[in-house]
Amino acid sequence: QVQLVQSGAEVKKPGASLKVSCKASGYTFTTSGISWVRQAPGQGLEWMGGINPYNGNTKYAQKFQRRVTMTADTSTNTAYMEVRSLRSDDTAVYFCARDTLDWGQGTLVIVSS
Amino acid sequence: DIVMTQTPPSLSVTPGQPASISCKSSQSLLNSNGKTYLYWFLQKPGQSPQLLIFEVSKRFHGVPDRFSGSGSGTDFTLKISRVEAEDVGVYYCMQSIQLPITFGGGTKVELQ
Repeated sequence: QVQLVQSGAEVKKPGASLKVSCKASGYTFTTSGISWVRQAPGQGLEWMGGINPYNGNTKYAQKFQRRVTMTADTSTNTAYMEVRSLRSDDTAVYFCARDTLDWGQGTLVIVSS
Repeated sequence: DIVMTQTPPSLSVTPGQPASISCKSSQSLLNSNGKTYLYWFLQKPGQSPQLLIFEVSKRFHGVPDRFSGSGSGTDFTLKISRVEAEDVGVYYCMQSIQLPITFGGGTKVELQ
């Protein structure tokens, strides 16, 4: 069955960078896009962007365009999302999702001094 | 960006009774290919969102048939024919016809 397993929780200081991984299994990695969605505490879902692992093409939501980079390693079937210049309002659970059909378990990121 | 508006924000339902959630989009979600890119998710407490319905009315694999989706254009509805205890959580609609993908604000369903 399809599984997306994300890296563990992180605590970061403001200004630092973060890289979350999402390892895919149970399907051919290059045939589906990977989206990244975040959820601030007690809030709704916010799409950050997505990547096509087949060709590496990315699309980002405008608010994340300058601070986020999404990549995919087809040799390990793993997608990554890097967020730079972290702020306290980046505190959230970050999810990866295969074409929004199947979701990872989420990665809690706390940004605090 | 396409704005997705869900109502009501919360719903208290007696087990065995029906429930209905509305989702309205600020633009039509009908693509020229004939598909309408409206999805419904359920996020149970402490869990990741799980897909229930795709393209307005198609149930994802394993989704019970008490869940049904309907609508067209900009107006959509998710119905649960008989709410069960395992249906509690927050329901979200989502559009993917246009980037950025956007979600409704969510409808919290709890049991009475």
